[in-house]
Amino acid sequence: DGGITQSPKYLFRKEGQNVTLSCEQNLNHDAMYWYRQDPGQGLRLIYYSQIVNDFQKGDIAEGYSVSREKKESFPLTVTSAQKNPTAFYLCASSIGAFRRLNTEAFFGQGTRLTVV
Amino acid sequence: KNEVEQSPQNLTAQEGEFITINCSYSVGISALHWLQQHPGGGIVSLFMLSSGKKKHGRLIATINIQEKHSSLHITASHPRDSAVYICAVMDNFNKFYFGSGTKLNVKP
Repeated sequence: DGGITQSPKYLFRKEGQNVTLSCEQNLNHDAMYWYRQDPGQGLRLIYYSQIVNDFQKGDIAEGYSVSREKKESFPLTVTSAQKNPTAFYLCASSIGAFRRLNTEAFFGQGTRLTVV
Repeated sequence: KNEVEQSPQNLTAQEGEFITINCSYSVGISALHWLQQHPGGGIVSLFMLSSGKKKHGRLIATINIQEKHSSLHITASHPRDSAVYICAVMDNFNKFYFGSGTKLNVKP
């Protein structure tokens, strides 16, 4: 079955350490996204990628980095420069704006990151 | 201005009640999603729809493209339905917009 997988579900890190969150999809989707959710708040866009080897900053990209070396994978690194990294992180993918049928989209389960 | 508005923000119901959560949006969309998030938990995709109506168990989602409105209904609600329900739309440029969520509490 095709789907999008985020791992791990819960992650703990010490302050000052970089941490990389995994997002993998086997849906042949071109577009992938990372969002952040703070307690009681809505989801905000961190980075997105419309195609392999290309990505753009979202609304809150500071302190984060991404790569898109493979179509299936869009890892997010939370760097030590991110002042408040503790949050819920959600990955999503969609078939892509470059294809005519662009309605298909899937969401990962999310990763809850706690920095202590 | 939020592109996606949900109502109500908070909803308390007694077990067995019929529940409706509404979502209105202002952008042109290619699809609308309903997501469920339990406290401290992950996201579960409930529905993706671009027209009409979909049903899965006790959950029903409808969308009216002309009115830019969608509803999520829960029949015979149960305490395990207690969660935050999020409406998300994908516009015609492949961008997602999210509602702020509806926090549902179903009491036994």
